[in-house]
Amino acid sequence: GAGVSQSPSNKVTEKGKDVELRCDPISGHTALYWYRQSLGQGLEFLIYFQGNSAPDKSGLPSDRFSAERTGGSVSTLTIQRTQQEDSAVYLCASSLQPSGNTIYFGEGSWLTVV
Amino acid sequence: AQTVTQSQPEMSVQEAETVTLSCTYDTSESDYYLFWYKQPPSRQMILVIRQEAYKQQNATENRFSVNFQKAAKSFSLKISDSQLGDAAMYFCAYAGGTSYGKLTFGQGTILTVHP
Repeated sequence: GAGVSQSPSNKVTEKGKDVELRCDPISGHTALYWYRQSLGQGLEFLIYFQGNSAPDKSGLPSDRFSAERTGGSVSTLTIQRTQQEDSAVYLCASSLQPSGNTIYFGEGSWLTVV
Repeated sequence: AQTVTQSQPEMSVQEAETVTLSCTYDTSESDYYLFWYKQPPSRQMILVIRQEAYKQQNATENRFSVNFQKAAKSFSLKISDSQLGDAAMYFCAYAGGTSYGKLTFGQGTILTVHP
């Protein structure tokens, strides 16, 4: 696609429910990243996929958070048993390769947990 | 751990004037990259400019330029001839040489441009 596409754009969910956020990176980009932007914490790195390598999950805040990337393209970030502190904008980004290339961001998925 | 600090929560500038946004960082790595990203109300982060730490020459992109002081670990953004479309949140970000995609962001600076 022309840019990084994320869905849904906005999601309101009840506390305790599971949510899935989708990211479709720019075609041909091998590296994919998830970030979280919240009022209290600013912008935080969550997870990073590079090709077929094991993902770098060092930024995931708890075991309720997981992500997968199927076929080296689309990625899904799953949050189980959502809590109010999970309310944030979840930003996905991609790049041609991890080193030396511009990282392009999507417009984010705004999650509100009520 | 690396940290990035933006000490100006808000800045304002008159249209056509020049404004400088400040950023300092802390790292023990010798190889790294620094970035300025712009986030308008649409939420999409847009790369404004980037600097490789090994390059002594300051990066420039049209009206945007940086003052990179490696020894002082300072990386400020200068916007010349400010335009209304420059109004946004600006983030300074750091990525280590071995983890280019793992950006560490500053807290952001809201830039207002007055006509």
